[in-house]
Amino acid sequence: DTGVSQNPRHKITKRGQNVTFRCDPISEHNRLYWYRQTLGQGPEFLTYFQNEAQLEKSRLLSDRFSAERPKGSFSTLEIQRTEQGDSAMYLCASSFVPNMYTGELFFGEGSRLTVL
Amino acid sequence: KQEVTQIPAALSVPEGENLVLNCSFTDSAIYNLQWFRQDPGKGLTSLLLIQSSQREQTSGRLNASLDKSSGRSTLYIAASQPGDSATYLCAAFMNRDDKIIFGKGTRLHILP
Repeated sequence: DTGVSQNPRHKITKRGQNVTFRCDPISEHNRLYWYRQTLGQGPEFLTYFQNEAQLEKSRLLSDRFSAERPKGSFSTLEIQRTEQGDSAMYLCASSFVPNMYTGELFFGEGSRLTVL
Repeated sequence: KQEVTQIPAALSVPEGENLVLNCSFTDSAIYNLQWFRQDPGKGLTSLLLIQSSQREQTSGRLNASLDKSSGRSTLYIAASQPGDSATYLCAAFMNRDDKIIFGKGTRLHILP
């Protein structure tokens, strides 16, 4: 399967702990996005990368959140000192953007975080 | 503020009926618009992508249209089946700041 892969699929943690999610995009895709989704809502943009460069971070993303894409391939999203409000589905998507236009987005299955 | 709105929020129809889902966006300067399907607890599956220069796209029983001037897109599902039950989301890819804005989705339930 060469789709977008996310790990772990489910994570239960205690408030105050750190968690890290990993996303492996489709191999030839140069753009990678992170979104957060809560029940009954559409995905909310968190951040995105063009190759290894992080081009934008949402104002929703507090300093406790950090994302990396060190070699322009896989990406990690780390949440430090988790809070109950961080409980959500974290979605990763990738696309191939040959020029300035945005390509079709492909999503992974998501990583569900529950903070107790 | 750029917004994407989907109406209705939920819809139940008997199996076999044709139906239309609506998506509206406040900023007509878009690169393209994409429709997704999401099953409970799962990620999003891409259904159709319409480029800004196109008026519609078709895949099987699905047809999506785009009217940039009125800020609207519709997803038409023909001969609905119980397996079509899911949440359908649209996403507008904005020219202005390269953002991708999602609607909240329409929860569709096809009654057997």
